[in-house]
Amino acid sequence: AQSVTQLGSHVSVSEGALVLLRCNYSSSVPPYLFWYVQYPNQGLQLLLKYTTGATLVKGINGFEAEFKKSETSFHLTKPSAHMSDAAEYFCAPTGRRALTFGSGTRLQVQP
Amino acid sequence: EAQVTQNPRYLITVTGKKLTVTCSQNMNHEYMSWYRQDPGLGLRQIYYSMNVEVTDKGDVPEGYKVSRKEKRNFPLILESPSPNQTSLYFCASSPVSFGGYEQYFGPGTRLTVT
Repeated sequence: AQSVTQLGSHVSVSEGALVLLRCNYSSSVPPYLFWYVQYPNQGLQLLLKYTTGATLVKGINGFEAEFKKSETSFHLTKPSAHMSDAAEYFCAPTGRRALTFGSGTRLQVQP
Repeated sequence: EAQVTQNPRYLITVTGKKLTVTCSQNMNHEYMSWYRQDPGLGLRQIYYSMNVEVTDKGDVPEGYKVSRKEKRNFPLILESPSPNQTSLYFCASSPVSFGGYEQYFGPGTRLTVT
């Protein structure tokens, strides 16, 4: 089964600063990789996903992630944080039957 | 509008009182799943269903039951709730169980068991 590690349960950045949220998955056959975002008091929505092809994936709201097989990583980045990016972010590789969610990283954006 | 709906959104109950949380999707998805979300643990899968009448345990199935009699509905049943089942529950659906398909999540049900 897939396992996933998200480094840092809380990340705080200033508005306009780079956002980097880290995700490493287990080294079994790489599945499809997802990032989901959960805004306060809401369900999860898809931010971006990697299936095949280009390893740099662009998502909504200016986020992108790069699949690095050699490092078994799928880190999420955004060049310039906005206040509206404050949310919890989940990395999720998928196996045959389910997404395996990381424990989540809560992003705070300071004015 | 394509969506996954859950009811109720909030529920406070007492230990041992049977309850059902409903989940319905209008996208004709084959795959449906229940997760619980607890602080610091992310989302953990409770049960899933690959299609009508096909259900299987996820990672944390103890104390829960499910059924899938119709494609659109996937209720979660707690026969005898206990305080350790206090959590935020999400239902999700996807066209199929595997591959690079997005899962669509419901808005969540916050359950408190006293």
